[in-house]
Amino acid sequence: KQEVTQIPAALSVPEGENLVLNCSFTDSAIYNLQWFRQDPGKGLTSLLLIQSSQREQTSGRLNASLDKSSGRSTLYIAASQPGDSATYLCAVAYYGGATNKLIFGTGTLLAVQP
Amino acid sequence: GAGVSQSPSNKVTEKGKDVELRCDPISGHTALYWYRQSLGQGLEFLIYFQGNSAPDKSGLPSDRFSAERTGGSVSTLTIQRTQQEDSAVYLCASSLTGTVYGYTFGSGTRLTVV
Repeated sequence: KQEVTQIPAALSVPEGENLVLNCSFTDSAIYNLQWFRQDPGKGLTSLLLIQSSQREQTSGRLNASLDKSSGRSTLYIAASQPGDSATYLCAVAYYGGATNKLIFGTGTLLAVQP
Repeated sequence: GAGVSQSPSNKVTEKGKDVELRCDPISGHTALYWYRQSLGQGLEFLIYFQGNSAPDKSGLPSDRFSAERTGGSVSTLTIQRTQQEDSAVYLCASSLTGTVYGYTFGSGTRLTVV
């Protein structure tokens, strides 16, 4: 079964700290992996997309890594800010034949305290 | 359009009634997806369209759920004889062919069945 797990489920940090969010997936035959941000009552905002052949992607203060063989990805947020407070979702894409879908993790609720 | 548009943004319906949810994808995006986010549950895949065809309907929870897409553009998700467990946020996403370029999500329709 294709499952995606995120740890921790919730995290509270003071402003300025660096932090790491973890994602693991059971089926390593992924097409790509995407990190999203979800604000309360809002849709999903794509943060970073890593193709299965890539090891990492960076955008500003965000860095995502991918270890496909071990079924793991991490999202590193540098110098956290209160505006980073949101739920972060990891999603793994499976593509081939009739299949084209994202399997989402359970999410990490991040609170950055000013 | 500039983004994925969903309507209505909120819908309250009585148990047993039928509802239709609409999604307007980004112009030129050939792939369209429906997901459901229930309270306490993660995001679940419902159905995937490539053009007007739906090669993967594996996530539709029951035969009360159906979806169609016309003109390779607008999609409608229909829920017949709604039940309280259908209450959720229904999210639509679109992408260029396949998942190479990632998904763009709409803001969702919050469905409440009373």
